[in-house]
Amino acid sequence: LAKTTQPISMDSYEGQEVNITCSHNNIATNDYITWYQQFPSQGPRFIIQGYKTKVTNEVASLFIPADRKSSTLSLPRVSLSDTAVYYCLVGDEYGQNFVFGPGTRLSVLP
Amino acid sequence: DGGITQSPKYLFRKEGQNVTLSCEQNLNHDAMYWYRQDPGQGLRLIYYSQIVNDFQKGDIAEGYSVSREKKESFPLTVTSAQKNPTAFYLCASSIQGGDQPQHFGDGTRLSIL
Repeated sequence: LAKTTQPISMDSYEGQEVNITCSHNNIATNDYITWYQQFPSQGPRFIIQGYKTKVTNEVASLFIPADRKSSTLSLPRVSLSDTAVYYCLVGDEYGQNFVFGPGTRLSVLP
Repeated sequence: DGGITQSPKYLFRKEGQNVTLSCEQNLNHDAMYWYRQDPGQGLRLIYYSQIVNDFQKGDIAEGYSVSREKKESFPLTVTSAQKNPTAFYLCASSIQGGDQPQHFGDGTRLSIL
């Protein structure tokens, strides 16, 4: 089971691009990487998922290097409403072995 | 609207009492999960179920019990054996398979009186 680490917190300013990295050194061949956003007193919400290379959707990009030992969530031009905790999840294709990272608390300043 | 509903939003328990947290989903998902979240901390897996009438222990199952008699329901009982039950409890569901994202409810906050 891949152990994951993330920075505890990050600060940014409105309009900047933010990159949050998750380390998962012992990721298995069939593991997927998923990122979630959580606001206080709410459940996490799905942001993006990937297996390798780069994935982009309307809110974020996910960069995964060839060795897959880390992944980077990229949020373009953040706003105050992006202040939240961001979690990476590494899990196998069967949904039987998975682990959430400790979360990164992002604070966006005006 | 399809979604996952947790009730109640706030719950209080006296010491020595069992209490059951409700989780219902109408997404037709096979898999369901329960997590515990302490203040300022991440999510820890309590139990998960990939199919009706089957469930597996997560990392912190001691003091908790679950049942999965129906596809749409996955109640969690916090027993008196759980010595520190005060926490935020989150339920999630997903299509079966690790490449399928989990959909979360808005949680139940349990407090000891």
